[in-house]
Amino acid sequence: GAVVSQHPSRVICKSGTSVKIECRSLDFQATTMFWYRQFPKQSLMLMATSNEGSKATYEQGVEKDKFLINHASLTLSTLTVTSAHPEDSSFYICSARDLASEKNYGYTFGSGTRLTVV
Amino acid sequence: KNQVEQSPQSLIILEGKNCTLQCNYTVSPFSNLRWYKQDTGRGPVSLTIMTFSENTKSNGRYTATLDADTKQSSLHITASQLSDSASYICVVSASRGNTPLVFGKGTRLSVIA
Repeated sequence: GAVVSQHPSRVICKSGTSVKIECRSLDFQATTMFWYRQFPKQSLMLMATSNEGSKATYEQGVEKDKFLINHASLTLSTLTVTSAHPEDSSFYICSARDLASEKNYGYTFGSGTRLTVV
Repeated sequence: KNQVEQSPQSLIILEGKNCTLQCNYTVSPFSNLRWYKQDTGRGPVSLTIMTFSENTKSNGRYTATLDADTKQSSLHITASQLSDSASYICVVSASRGNTPLVFGKGTRLSVIA
């Protein structure tokens, strides 16, 4: 089945630094990937839709200059949290969909990245 | 407004018992409904996916039902195990394209010995 690998699983960084999170589709090509943010005991909140070879589409209220998304290939999307602050501490999850798979309506999620900004 | 409501918010059951989680949605036009299991600190893992024409789908001890007329779904867990402790999220898609999924807030299930 479709596998999405997300790295790193955990990261601790100092305020003001930038952190890059990678999301890879291991056995399928994903023209579109999605980035979510999840606070404790809350549901996933879509941050942006990452489109291969073009600009990402950000949800309302998400700062595109702070959360930089790059989708340079059909198997890799990256989310960079720039100038991180403690309030950016959260659980970030990516997902992708294997459109080539017959009758596959399923989105596969990465295992998530726990970001802690100190 | 597209919404997915889940109940109960949390549930505690004894190991070996069965339980049923509920999901009501107002997403339109409906494409499909998915149930995911999310362990603490992990990404969601797909349990079942159902389209409009499917009424029930099983995956081991998990059985999901869908009533597209009443816009309700349920997830039944049989003979619960300690490892079933997790959040169960109901997610509805409005179309087959790459439109955003609508997430429920999840039901946090705790299975105790």
